Amino acid sequence: QQQVKQSPQSLIVQKGGISIINCAYENTAFDYFPWYQQFPGKGPALLIAIRPDVSEKKEGRFTISFNKSAKQFSLHIMDSQPGDSATYFCAAKYAGSARQLTFGSGTQLTVLP
Amino acid sequence: GAVVSQHPSRVICKSGTSVKIECRSLDFQATTMFWYRQFPKQSLMLMATSNEGSKATYEQGVEKDKFLINHASLTLSTLTVTSAHPEDSSFYICSARDRGASYNSPLHFGNGTRLTVT
Repeated sequence: QQQVKQSPQSLIVQKGGISIINCAYENTAFDYFPWYQQFPGKGPALLIAIRPDVSEKKEGRFTISFNKSAKQFSLHIMDSQPGDSATYFCAAKYAGSARQLTFGSGTQLTVLP
Repeated sequence: GAVVSQHPSRVICKSGTSVKIECRSLDFQATTMFWYRQFPKQSLMLMATSNEGSKATYEQGVEKDKFLINHASLTLSTLTVTSAHPEDSSFYICSARDRGASYNSPLHFGNGTRLTVT
């Protein structure tokens, strides 16, 4: 059972455009939602994360929007650049636990120059 | 920032041999490290949770005797793929959390090891 569903699987955006990646979850016990960026042949790197007590968090060109009632969260990349081309994973972690993250299936983003 | 060093980055071995992958936290101590496996264009699949000074906890379907994990110190965990076969070829990634940080602190990932078994 996939606990965190991510879409789309791939995304192509023109330079300067907005990239939007969506994730949905079922388990209300999740309380921490990070996004990771992964370049080919590299490990994932934390991009931005949010707790469910806020609806939006912005860091530079990256924004997480969180809808607790809908159990959905999304990553918005403003002014997308070719250097943003990578695979993006959303993830979720259970409350009060040092357990591992549950990852979404990933979105391969390509930003055209 | 916290750095997790994984070594080697690439390894090619013959079928039937064993390969050891090291995961080190360079500037923090980690009581818990996680080992993931990633197939091309797929997500990260947790293999096991490595706990310093105790036995690792393996996810369902992961063979304990094939993927040996040792977490002998607060800065080092190793994954040994024993009697490797071509189907073990994959990208293996470790991650760690600073023992001094809260449970919601971010996981720091290594750069992964590309294992190819011929």
